[in-house]
Order: sequence, then C-alpha cells, then structure tokens
Amino acid sequence: DIQMTQSPSSLSASVGDRVTITCRASQSITSNLNWYQQKPGKAPSLLIYAASSLQSGAPSRFSGSGSGTDFTLTINSLQFEDFATYYCQQSYSTPLTFGQGTKVEIK
Amino acid sequence: EVQLVESGGGLVQPGGSLRLSCAASGFAFNTYAMNWIRQAPGKGLEWVSTISGRGGSSYYADSVKGRFTISRDNSRNTLFLQMNSLRAEDTAIYYCAKGPGVGVFDFWGQGTLVTVSS
Repeated sequence: DIQMTQSPSSLSASVGDRVTITCRASQSITSNLNWYQQKPGKAPSLLIYAASSLQSGAPSRFSGSGSGTDFTLTINSLQFEDFATYYCQQSYSTPLTFGQGTKVEIK
Repeated sequence: EVQLVESGGGLVQPGGSLRLSCAASGFAFNTYAMNWIRQAPGKGLEWVSTISGRGGSSYYADSVKGRFTISRDNSRNTLFLQMNSLRAEDTAIYYCAKGPGVGVFDFWGQGTLVTVSS
C-alpha cells in the first residue's frame, strides 16, 4: 500500500498569510495526487486534482505542485473561510489512501 | 445541480448487517465511477470501495474485503453498500462520492452515520 504523510499535522496562521502544506508518498505516484478541504461537520470537497489542476469552483488562491513523491498545497492570502482540515490523497493505485490531515487554525 | 443523498445508517450490534444507499441526481449517473469513503469519529478519511460506471469492476479496502459489497442500480441512479459482519471499528460517517474516474472524488454527499455497538 502507498502511505501518504502530510506535514505539519496542524498549523496556526493569520488572515492574509501564505500557507504551505506538504504531502509525501511512500513511492512514486507520478501526478496522481488530489487535495481536499473539510470544514467541521461537513463533507470534504475537492480542491486540486492531478497535483496541480484547480477544481471548478475552487478559489484561485489555492494551488498545488509536485510530482513523484513530493507535493505541496499552497494557500495564498489565507481567508477566514479557509480555516479547515486539508487532506491529500493518492489516486495512483488501489487501495486509495489519504494523508492524516493538516488542520489550519486561526492564530 | 449534483446531489448525493446517503441513507441507511444507524445503530447495529457487532456481527450485524446494514445496507447503505446513495441516491444520485443532477448528472449522468451511469457514466461515473462511484465510491464509499468513511471517517471514524474525530479521525481522518479512509477509502472503502469503488465501483465503475457500469458496475463491471469493483475495488475494496483490505479492511472491508469479504464483508462489504458495493453495487449500483443505474436504472434508479442509486449506489449501495451492503455491510455484513460489522465490527466496532466500522463505526464512522460513510460518505458516497462521485468521480470522473477511479480514484478522484469530485463531489461528496453529506454522509450517514453507522454506529456498531452492543
């Protein structure tokens, strides 16, 4: 199975900050990496697919990069509504696996 | 507008069975892979199962293989998850999600809670 490791597990940031979350796969997954946002009590929503493609309807301040084993989700100019938990997920092979999540909290 | 509405969750004893449903609307259901993903209370996301658009292929996490069965009725735009031999560790919110292909979850339902407890 492919293990996905996110860092950090949590972070505190202020509105307007630039935030970076990293995700590492235990083996190469080429560009088969997706990012989700989950707010408390809500279902997750897709932000980024194929490592760097912005999902329709997702704000342009979100961007993704990387390939192989190392990936990054960047939030430019953090907004209040961005405080949430973020998950990476590999779609390279089954079993499909998620990272453990990164909780973005208000500083 | 895409809608996915799960139902069928509830309290069940260990060893029991439950059948979840996910009613879909707003898209061409039979052309999309469909998925079940779960989230234990206070924990992260865990993929459970995927079925192809026509239902010819299905995939399972090792943790549920042999106990859970995914199926779909394309005439009724409905996805199912038959869960047998339930264990306490199956307690979770179960989400259905559609995907443009196997592996990406581009729209999620609101989830249904399954609690396995005596």
